[in-house]
Amino acid sequence: EAQVTQNPRYLITVTGKKLTVTCSQNMNHEYMSWYRQDPGLGLRQIYYSMNVEVTDKGDVPEGYKVSRKEKRNFPLILESPSPNQTSLYFCASSLRMQGQRTDTQYFGPGTRLTVL
Amino acid sequence: DAKTTQPTSMDCAEGRAANLPCNHSTISGNEYVYWYRQIHSQGPQYIIHGLKNNETNEMASLIITEDRKSSTLILPHATLRDTAVYYCIVRVAEGYSSASKIIFGSGTRLSIRP
Repeated sequence: EAQVTQNPRYLITVTGKKLTVTCSQNMNHEYMSWYRQDPGLGLRQIYYSMNVEVTDKGDVPEGYKVSRKEKRNFPLILESPSPNQTSLYFCASSLRMQGQRTDTQYFGPGTRLTVL
Repeated sequence: DAKTTQPTSMDCAEGRAANLPCNHSTISGNEYVYWYRQIHSQGPQYIIHGLKNNETNEMASLIITEDRKSSTLILPHATLRDTAVYYCIVRVAEGYSSASKIIFGSGTRLSIRP
């Protein structure tokens, strides 16, 4: 089954304790992205990756890191989490090919993170 | 990417057509209109997209005005399961050189009443 998976689905942690949220897709998609969603602010893009070893900042990258060492995985790293990073996080992927007009994003189920 | 404007909320009777408007007056010629929906904190789900022609699939229809400055998503026979937040976004969909940021906005909260 084609899907985007995220782990963990729920996480409660404390300020300053490094954490990683994993994202994996089995559709051989080139483009992957991380979003956070907060009440009243909608979905905001944190980082995205056009392909392996190619990443770039979205609208709210501060306090986050990503890596794309292989096509299927795109982990989100919080080196020193703070309470303002408490949010619902979504990973997404899409197939992007030069000249192809298809860019539908497939979203993971979400990770609810609470930083105390 | 062009900014979109959507009503904050709408409601529709079950079984009737739900028409969700979106304004994107600054859309560029190579930007597509995409619609997604999100059901209660689940991951957003793709619905439909189009460039300038009207589009229809098994979920919905997309009507884009001739000047492309606005569009309407139509759910032809709304059911209670269509209650969700609907997002209209515009973005370029081809070429690595184009911007790849995606701006979702706040969307329209659609409530279907029995």
